[in-house]
Amino acid sequence: QVQLVESGGVLVKPGGSLRLSCAASGFTFRDYYMTWIRQAPGKGLEWVSYISGSDGTLYYADSVRGRFTISRDNAKNSLFLQMNSLRAEDTAVYYCARGPPNYSGYDATIDHWGQGTLVTVSS
Amino acid sequence: QSVLTQPPSASGTPGQRVTISCSGSSSNIGSHYVYWYQQLPGTAPQLLIYKNNQRPSRVPDRFSGSKSGTSASLAISGLRSEDEADYYCAAWDDSLTVLFGGGTKLTVL
Repeated sequence: QVQLVESGGVLVKPGGSLRLSCAASGFTFRDYYMTWIRQAPGKGLEWVSYISGSDGTLYYADSVRGRFTISRDNAKNSLFLQMNSLRAEDTAVYYCARGPPNYSGYDATIDHWGQGTLVTVSS
Repeated sequence: QSVLTQPPSASGTPGQRVTISCSGSSSNIGSHYVYWYQQLPGTAPQLLIYKNNQRPSRVPDRFSGSKSGTSASLAISGLRSEDEADYYCAAWDDSLTVLFGGGTKLTVL
């Protein structure tokens, strides 16, 4: 079955950097878009970024563009989120999730989610 | 403040039918599919409805989605206590971002 396991969430100071990882299993990783979605404590969902499975297409939310970088290693079935210039408002649970198959167009079907990793930005 | 607008709360009694609305604009709901996600207390979200009105096989047919113009709705019939959760709509926007609604907390009275 599909499994997504995030890691890397910690307490970090404002202005600091952090790299989140997501280990995927149970499906052909390179065939799917992958995405990061976050949820601040007690708040709603906020989409962060999408990456295609093979052609390098990237999408970012305005709130993180220029500070966060999404990447993947298809050989290791892993997804990453490099987070720089962190702010207090980046504090959230970050979910790794599977998007649609490659070449699906603008499809926001997110059918499998990890359990999330907590990032806290505070001095 | 979310670009997709949902009521913050909804409620119903067991067996009732409830609907949750999601309002957007021509650049998102008006020109892209709508998706619905359910988040049970203390758990990760899960896909409930995709491409306006399609249900994953594990989702009971008590749940249905619809879209008209720049608005969409999620309907839950035969309401059950286990349906108590937060519900989010989502859609692509022409700005090449994915938007989520602010979420609706459903209470089963």
